[in-house]
Amino acid sequence: DAKTTQPNSMESNEEEPVHLPCNHSTISGTDYIHWYRQLPSQGPEYVIHGLTSNVNNRMASLAIAEDRKSSTLILHRATLRDAAVYYCILRGSQGNLIFGKGTKLSVKP
Amino acid sequence: DTGVSQDPRHKITKRGQNVTFRCDPISEHNRLYWYRQTLGQGPEFLTYFQNEAQLEKSRLLSDRFSAERPKGSFSTLEIQRTEQGDSAMYLCASSRGWGDHYNSPLHFGNGTRLTVT
Repeated sequence: DAKTTQPNSMESNEEEPVHLPCNHSTISGTDYIHWYRQLPSQGPEYVIHGLTSNVNNRMASLAIAEDRKSSTLILHRATLRDAAVYYCILRGSQGNLIFGKGTKLSVKP
Repeated sequence: DTGVSQDPRHKITKRGQNVTFRCDPISEHNRLYWYRQTLGQGPEFLTYFQNEAQLEKSRLLSDRFSAERPKGSFSTLEIQRTEQGDSAMYLCASSRGWGDHYNSPLHFGNGTRLTVT
């Protein structure tokens, strides 16, 4: 599976938008971009995924660059419950997920 | 959807002992995955099943580790002759695995924390 690069950590203020970047310059044409997050003492939780077009769901938005070499997860209004490690993952034909270290998001009240 | 269930939540064992963990996936999911996670790291893929067939095993899965899914429902992960380096969180996940499986999210349990003393 292709590799992704994310910042180790980011900080945000409560009720402000958060943009979590991810670089994936070696993405192949069939790789989907998936985001998961992991709250303390819990298993990872699916957030969103996309292939080429931007995607929105009740949790977040995913903005995908035109060349697909990078993407950004957008939390529109961060809450304290959004403090977690966010993982950007390229999912290929095998179907299994290969996690990196992710970005630890801290949210300040 | 009752979620993925893992048992036990915590296990403390002495080095050299065998341990077995159980995972009950979401009932209509035919794919089941095992991951291991150590402190400060992302989950590491160990193995996955499509129904009862074990389709892929990571090189991390040494010969002391064995996973089974005998009837395509629940799964067990056994570690024989545990070592201190086996101390980790063991996570199980399940997903739909037919058709467009790229788009089927993995649903994770909350894991079994193993401590080997």
